[in-house]
Amino acid sequence: QKEVEQNSGPLSVPEGAIASLNCTYSDRGSQSFFWYRQYSGKSPELIMSIYSNGDKEDGRFTAQLNKASQYVSLLIRDSQPSDSATYLCAVLMNSGYSTLTFGKGTMLLVSP
Amino acid sequence: DGGITQSPKYLFRKEGQNVTLSCEQNLNHDAMYWYRQDPGQGLRLIYYSQIVNDFQKGDIAEGYSVSREKKESFPLTVTSAQKNPTAFYLCASSTQVPVSYGYTFGSGTRLTVV
Repeated sequence: QKEVEQNSGPLSVPEGAIASLNCTYSDRGSQSFFWYRQYSGKSPELIMSIYSNGDKEDGRFTAQLNKASQYVSLLIRDSQPSDSATYLCAVLMNSGYSTLTFGKGTMLLVSP
Repeated sequence: DGGITQSPKYLFRKEGQNVTLSCEQNLNHDAMYWYRQDPGQGLRLIYYSQIVNDFQKGDIAEGYSVSREKKESFPLTVTSAQKNPTAFYLCASSTQVPVSYGYTFGSGTRLTVV
């Protein structure tokens, strides 16, 4: 079964620190990778996408992809209390489905 | 503004009752999806549709049904055969298949069995 794995957390960091969120996936042929942020009781919102090996930066967010290790990460620099949320990793797998497979999410808590 | 509208926001179902969750999008997206989210769980795919009048079962389709008569609309019916329907239901859409640019989500419907 195709899987996406994330630590459930919570990951606790102080305000201003770097938060590092990790995700592994089982399908070596996976094509596209996404990070969603979900506040409690709300729907997920797309914050980053990455398609090729390396780093992709957007403001305080950096996504990192290593297809050889089947690993994708999200770094949040200068973490703010408003970043406290659950972060979902989603992967487009090469399984014949044209749908995203989601991890269970990592809860991030940023303390003032 | 373009987006996805889910209604109702909260829904209460009695035992043995069928209920229908609405999902409408004005983004001109071809593909639409239904996911279920339980506390502490990831999103699990119920059904998806890549084109009008066609849809596919996802991982947990039992006890659910859908229709796609219009590009803009993808309603989900939770039937009495679904034994544990209490969950947060999310509708999503995407511009194309394969999903190269991710999904846009609606605001969700929280269904509770009473």
